[in-house]
Formats: sequence, C-alpha cells, structure tokens
Amino acid sequence: QVQLQQWGAGLLKPSETLSLTCEVNGGSFSSYYWGWIRQSPGKGLEWIGEMNQSGSTNYNPSLAGRVTISVDASKKQFSLKLTSVTAADAALYYCAGLYDRIGAFDTWGQGTVVTVSS
Amino acid sequence: QSVLTQPPSTSGSPGQSVTISCSGGSFNIGNNPVTWYQQVPGTAPKVLIYSNYERPSGVPDRFSGSKSGTSVSLAISGLQSEDEAYYYCAVWDDGLNSRVFGGGTKLTVL
Repeated sequence: QVQLQQWGAGLLKPSETLSLTCEVNGGSFSSYYWGWIRQSPGKGLEWIGEMNQSGSTNYNPSLAGRVTISVDASKKQFSLKLTSVTAADAALYYCAGLYDRIGAFDTWGQGTVVTVSS
Repeated sequence: QSVLTQPPSTSGSPGQSVTISCSGGSFNIGNNPVTWYQQVPGTAPKVLIYSNYERPSGVPDRFSGSKSGTSVSLAISGLQSEDEAYYYCAVWDDGLNSRVFGGGTKLTVL
C-alpha cells in the first residue's frame, strides 16, 4: 500500500512562492501519476496538476504559468511550486497519487494548510 | 464555476436510497471515465467509484455508479449515518486538457 507524507511552509506572504514536497512510501512508484489538489476553506476540490510516468505534466489552466510539479524518482518524492501567491491561494493542499490501473487518486497525503497573509 | 454540475445538497433517512447526479459535456463525461470521491469533513477524499461504475475493494455494494451520455449518477442505498459526507465527481476534460471536479454534493443523513 502506498502512503504519502507531505510537508512544506504553511504561512506565506503575498508574492512569495509556495513550495510543498510529498514522499511516497511503499507500493510501486511507477504505477502512479503524481498530483496536487487543493481545497479552499468551505469549498470544493480543485485539481492543480499532475505528472505522468513519462514525466509529462498537465496543469489547471487557471494556474498555468505559476505552477510547477516535479518528481525525483530516486528519492520517491514529488513537489509543487506555486509562484506569486495571493490570498486566493490560501487553502488545504493535498498531494495525491493517481493509480494508472483505475485512473483515480486512490492515495492522498495528510494535507497542508497554507495561509497567505502580509 | 465547475464544468461539472452537481446539486449542492441532498438528504435521506437511514435505510433510504439517494442518488447524486453529475452533469458535464462531450469533452469530459461524454468521452472519459468518471470517478466518484467521498470526503468526510476533516479527512482526505476516498475513491468510491472509478471508471463510471467500478467499486474498489472495500467499498460496500450499497454504492453504485451509472452513466448516460454526458451525465453520471452515484446511487447510495440503505443509507447509514456514516454516509454523511461530501461527494465529488471527477473526470478528465479533453477540451481543457485538465482534470476537473464537480462542485460537490453534501449528503445529510437525517
């Protein structure tokens, strides 16, 4: 069973860069797409982006230009960077693994609350 | 405003059945498999249904999915108090070249 452990800074100032990392434990690293999803307070789920096994990335068009997802397979880690954050980026951020056999995010990190305040 | 439309809320009494709908278009639901997630407040989402109607092991058969054209539905029979949660549909959108979630439906078990 794959388990995800995520970490990163939870308090940012406007214009700073959000940086989160997720470590994969157990399971088959290469059987997954690795992605990030966020949830603003009291709101629904918003897909941020994902990287597939060949290293190709897709991002939410509303965040394109500010977001980068990278994977370090040797460390079994993947990361999210979101530049120029504003108050609108304050949310609970989840890392998640999309199992390619079912095409669904079946493993999730514990979530990181990100606050943006001057 | 999501490209997938779900009712904001629904409710039912224990033992009853409810159905949650998710409406999309030809570039998403009409052309790609849909996943349903359950999110109990304070926890991460969990896969209930994938590929429109498939259940992962461990998900009770009280949960079932169906698809018709550009809409999908999640049916829950024999409602239990632990079913009180938010339910989200999700699918790949070929037009946006991105994955999209529905706005979510809050299920209240009366």
